[in-house]
Amino acid sequence: DTGVSQDPRHKITKRGQNVTFRCDPISEHNRLYWYRQTLGQGPEFLTYFQNEAQLEKSRLLSDRFSAERPKGSFSTLEIQRTEQGDSAMYLCASSLGSGNHGYTFGSGTRLTVV
Amino acid sequence: AQRVTQPEKLLSVFKGAPVELKCNYSYSGSPELFWYVQYSRQRLQLLLRHISRESIKGFTADLNKGETSFHLKKPFAQEEDSAMYYCALSDYGGSQGNLIFGKGTKLSVKP
Repeated sequence: DTGVSQDPRHKITKRGQNVTFRCDPISEHNRLYWYRQTLGQGPEFLTYFQNEAQLEKSRLLSDRFSAERPKGSFSTLEIQRTEQGDSAMYLCASSLGSGNHGYTFGSGTRLTVV
Repeated sequence: AQRVTQPEKLLSVFKGAPVELKCNYSYSGSPELFWYVQYSRQRLQLLLRHISRESIKGFTADLNKGETSFHLKKPFAQEEDSAMYYCALSDYGGSQGNLIFGKGTKLSVKP
């Protein structure tokens, strides 16, 4: 297990297109989180899963965003009809339990919408 | 509303000098505080947690509930400490345990 993996590392897309990102957490971690980070800001919470259940969604997560974790292992984050404002680094993290021992982050997927 | 404030965007010190990265939080419950660090071209990683009261890489942080602060300190900065530092707050008794991050402070340690 090499930690949290995210794919792709970079994505350039035209405005209006759909994109999908994948996150593979640490295998024994039951919680998986998605964050978004823009320039000069800290990571902002989007949503998280405990096993396959999506337990919380931020108001940042508009209707164009959807996340899944179908078997409680990997997760996907889809953005439909991308807008230039969606350009950001999308971070995935995982934890065992509530995360009071900290989260393990992936390297992120950098999305650029042109 | 829960909030984490890191007032300094950039902190520049010379090698061997003491360093203090400030973090203040706004939270009505019993907070869990963390410091995360991101070195150049590396992923965000946990540096330390207030509940463990540990010293990592010479860094310590004390939770001051009266001042709602969780400042990160190191007595003698090293060049390899240069990185982005993020203070984060979590509420395990309330919302569900998601982390709320500050905007970060870039620490630059000059030789």
